[in-house]
Amino acid sequence: AAGVIQSPRHLIKEKRETATLKCYPIPRHDTVYWYQQGPGQDPQFLISFYEKMQSDKGSIPDRFSAQQFSDYHSELNMSSLELGDSALYFCASKNLGLNTEAFFGQGTRLTVV
Amino acid sequence: AQSVTQLDSHVSVSEGTPVLLRCNYSSSYSPSLFWYVQHPNKGLQLLLKYTSAATLVKGINGFEAEFKKSETSFHLTKPSAHMSDAAEYFCVVTPGGNEKLTFGTGTRLTIIP
Repeated sequence: AAGVIQSPRHLIKEKRETATLKCYPIPRHDTVYWYQQGPGQDPQFLISFYEKMQSDKGSIPDRFSAQQFSDYHSELNMSSLELGDSALYFCASKNLGLNTEAFFGQGTRLTVV
Repeated sequence: AQSVTQLDSHVSVSEGTPVLLRCNYSSSYSPSLFWYVQHPNKGLQLLLKYTSAATLVKGINGFEAEFKKSETSFHLTKPSAHMSDAAEYFCVVTPGGNEKLTFGTGTRLTIIP
């Protein structure tokens, strides 16, 4: 069965650079969530989208932005990267209408040096 | 608002003995509750979910959890621990619908040979 696909799996960037993380939800899933998990931390909610519209916003820095496209994939854009942005970034998707559980991707490990 | 409290940050059990990972929640609505497992450097995998059906929920790998509304608890159990169960376990709550998933701080399960 198709799962949530995240790319890239690993990313190394320097301070002040920009990074773009991509998430491809499970087909027919209309909702996408982004989470940030720092070393030894629980996942922290960043932002979510439903039917291409932002539906909720958590502790996402102003340097970050995200959107969901017409094909339902989502991108998280991160600018002016800081060392503290180094983390595992998860994307999850669900079908709101069917009230399925959220399925998580494998995550993108971002390292800022 | 919803929240989750995982009462133990670290649990160690011997192989073959029972596992108990404790979770208490608070939610303004009838919540949906989940347990996710995360193996080292891996993504989040759904173990089981409660969505207002049967209060005793069976999941994968022999895990189960019981939803107790009077105690606002959703503890995870397994009769006999296996070495492969060593991982980080997250209790997650959502009021349902499009609301974000709220994670507990996680419980690291160590299995002693």
